[in-house]
Amino acid sequence: EAGVAQSPRYKIIEKRQSVAFWCNPISGHATLYWYQQILGQGPKLLIQFQNNGVVDDSQLPKDRFSAERLKGVDSTLKIQPAKLEDSAVYLCASSLGTSGAQETQYFGPGTRLLVL
Amino acid sequence: RKEVEQDPGPFNVPEGATVAFNCTYSNSASQSFFWYRQDCRKEPKLLMSVYSSGNEDGRFTAQLNRASQYISLLIRDSKLSDSATYLCVVNRDTGRRALTFGSGTRLQVQP
Repeated sequence: EAGVAQSPRYKIIEKRQSVAFWCNPISGHATLYWYQQILGQGPKLLIQFQNNGVVDDSQLPKDRFSAERLKGVDSTLKIQPAKLEDSAVYLCASSLGTSGAQETQYFGPGTRLLVL
Repeated sequence: RKEVEQDPGPFNVPEGATVAFNCTYSNSASQSFFWYRQDCRKEPKLLMSVYSSGNEDGRFTAQLNRASQYISLLIRDSKLSDSATYLCVVNRDTGRRALTFGSGTRLQVQP
């Protein structure tokens, strides 16, 4: 079974530039998550989708970050404009979305972003 | 105060040693609990769920103390391949399945 796919794997940009990340979840998974992991910290949720609706975006810096999941399958996360503190690994995860709080989340390999 | 707190380590132990990691969480309404493993420059992967009665998977034993809001992971007979960062993870809400991660405890098993 194919896992969660993300691209690009690495990105280097200058501050104030824009960047977009793409995620394709495991087939059939209704719930999709974007996490930000800063070096030395655990992942922090940015946004959670259930199908194509937003469930939780309370920790998404909406002045510069946006995300969409238009057809309830793949998703894009955009940063515009980027700041130095956005340097992190951006992890996409998915889960079936039907089994409650105990269900497993599967993570993609992440996109490593460096803002100069 | 962080929602999930862990000792960052590193824990340096010899092969064959037993090592224990602890974690505390601040939200008493938390519903479910996990340990994830993250290898260097890789994504987190579920190691095991943690149940109130305690549970074991091979060399790994996880325990939960809801009264003290405390979770533990015990690794017996450590292998070199156990070297990784171990993330304590809590699910806060029933309707939202997003996970709250601790910062992780780094384990280095030495030959």
